[in-house]
Amino acid sequence: DTGVSQDPRHKITKRGQNVTFRCDPISEHNRLYWYRQTLGQGPEFLTYFQNEAQLEKSRLLSDRFSAERPKGSFSTLEIQRTEQGDSAMYLCASSLRSASSTDTQYFGPGTRLTVL
Amino acid sequence: DQQVKQNSPSLRVQEGRISILNCDYTNSMFDYFLWYKKYPAEGPTFLISISSIKDKNEDGRFTVFLNKSAKHLSLHIVPSQPGDSAVYFCAASVLGNTPLVFGKGTRLSVIA
Repeated sequence: DTGVSQDPRHKITKRGQNVTFRCDPISEHNRLYWYRQTLGQGPEFLTYFQNEAQLEKSRLLSDRFSAERPKGSFSTLEIQRTEQGDSAMYLCASSLRSASSTDTQYFGPGTRLTVL
Repeated sequence: DQQVKQNSPSLRVQEGRISILNCDYTNSMFDYFLWYKKYPAEGPTFLISISSIKDKNEDGRFTVFLNKSAKHLSLHIVPSQPGDSAVYFCAASVLGNTPLVFGKGTRLSVIA
């Protein structure tokens, strides 16, 4: 049973560079979520997809952030012109949403981003 | 404005005793609640959930209690084991169908 996977696990970049993270959800899951977690805080919602459709974006998600899920399977999160404030753990979660089930989300190991 | 609050940043419990972690929420629209456990450098691991139509849900050593009138839920771990030492997050959603809103977490330390 493969869970949610994320790549890379760690990324160190210089301010102003672009970075891209990948998330592979649990195979039969139709929903995919991105969260961000900083020290001492709980995860904060960024955006989510149902299949390939992006259904909601948080106001935390500035114009420098973009996410895609082109074929309803894996997803990418890109941050352009990174800033030091972008340093955080980026978490991906997936779930199977159906008419008869509630949305229990299962998380990947996260990508830790450090912007120097 | 924090909609989900975990007011105890940390909790120390002796091995074999009961651990009780608390969570309060302010949004009366929340109707599905989850607890996650997180080890350092890992993603949150789902532990147990409860729907607002219930007031208790049990899974092995873990029991979650929901008091809707008080907008309060708690996670009981009995008996506590050293491997339970981690940060525990409470999370909530509306209709079990919206992005999760998390508390800030409680760090549980189980002492042998």
